[in-house]
Amino acid sequence: EVQLVESGGGLVKPGGSLRLSCAASGFTFSNASMSWVRQAPGKGLEWVGRIKSKLDGGTTDYAAPVKGRFTISGDDSKNTLYLQMNSLKTEDTAVYYCTTGRWYFDLWGRGTLVTVSS
Amino acid sequence: DIVMTQSPDSLAVSLGERATINCKSSQSVLFSSNNKNYLAWYQQKPGQPPKLLIYWASTRDSGVPDRFSGSGSGTDFTLTISSLQAEDVAVYYCQQYYSTPRTFGPGTTVDIK
Repeated sequence: EVQLVESGGGLVKPGGSLRLSCAASGFTFSNASMSWVRQAPGKGLEWVGRIKSKLDGGTTDYAAPVKGRFTISGDDSKNTLYLQMNSLKTEDTAVYYCTTGRWYFDLWGRGTLVTVSS
Repeated sequence: DIVMTQSPDSLAVSLGERATINCKSSQSVLFSSNNKNYLAWYQQKPGQPPKLLIYWASTRDSGVPDRFSGSGSGTDFTLTISSLQAEDVAVYYCQQYYSTPRTFGPGTTVDIK
């Protein structure tokens, strides 16, 4: 079955760190471009960043609000995508979705909730 | 960054009637070399992740009912639900993938009148 399953969310204090994981199955992870998209409570969708497929160079891009604080990486041996989040702010509170697609996003996980609060 | 706007913010339509959602980009998302519009539409129901409905502005994703259609080019796009069903109650988002950062519209809530 083709699916993405996120994990690692939870409650963290402002200034803290958290690492999210996204386990992929049912497709060739090493050939996929992967993104993280977040959704603050009651709000719309916000693209966080992506890692391009190896075929496209494997480079990363980030949205301005998270650049320098978040890092996206992937482990092809584990078919897993990661989002390392440092220096977390209250405004980073959101459900974080893992999604795949070089252009549009055709497969989504169910998301994991990150709450940044003191 | 390309800014995406949507109208209306919400609409209520009777079952079986047509629902129309508009999306506008702050610059063209039409790539002239391949004549493709780099625009997608998503549906999100409460408590669920978004689901891809339409890509390249007018191509339905696999399994999407044909009552959903996308149209438009350049900077102005439309998602039409030709005959609203109860299961179509959701928030609908447009998204451009012409450039990075990828950006989404603010969403349009569709409900039953």
